[in-house]
Amino acid sequence: DAGVIQSPRHEVTEMGQEVTLRCKPISGHNSLFWYRQTMMRGLELLIYFNNNVPIDDSGMPEDRFSAKMPNASFSTLKIQPSEPRDSAVYFCASSLGQGETQYFGPGTRLLVL
Amino acid sequence: AQSVTQLGSHVSVSEGALVLLRCNYSSSVPPYLFWYVQYPNQGLQLLLKYTTGATLVKGINGFEAEFKKSETSFHLTKPSAHMSDAAEYFCAVSDGNQGGKLIFGQGTELSVKP
Repeated sequence: DAGVIQSPRHEVTEMGQEVTLRCKPISGHNSLFWYRQTMMRGLELLIYFNNNVPIDDSGMPEDRFSAKMPNASFSTLKIQPSEPRDSAVYFCASSLGQGETQYFGPGTRLLVL
Repeated sequence: AQSVTQLGSHVSVSEGALVLLRCNYSSSVPPYLFWYVQYPNQGLQLLLKYTTGATLVKGINGFEAEFKKSETSFHLTKPSAHMSDAAEYFCAVSDGNQGGKLIFGQGTELSVKP
């Protein structure tokens, strides 16, 4: 299997622009997770889906962030409008289900100027 | 609520020396515990995990960890460090009943000196 695929790997944008991060989970996995990693806050769970349904979005920082999972093989994390404090590495992970091992993608490194 | 504390944000060892990375957790229910490794500019890779059963868990690259309920600890060890072990290590706890979301510690950066 190709593993979790994320795109783009790097994104540089200007404050106020819309940013869309994409994730393709491992085929057959039922759970998908979005994490954010920063020096100040470490690794934080933003949102996770089970069978394409958002289960817990309590980690989403504010209304500027939204996530969708229209089907089992694709998810997006959107930031609109972006701000410099959104600069971070965003990871997507997937697992077979509750309590199972999460497999992480390579991450998207986002820089908002 | 669950939480993880990793003692020491930076650990430095000599090549061939014992590696010990400390992790303590807090959980109101039996936890699932994980250690992940992150190499520079890469995603996280699972080293090992504890769910139930044997409390001494062996993982990849010669690492192992022991679940000690009485001490609420899950320390990671490796008998002999290699240069290639230099990376950041994350301990995480999950309550499977909550969908498996992971709560991570702040990470420990391991340096290996020649």
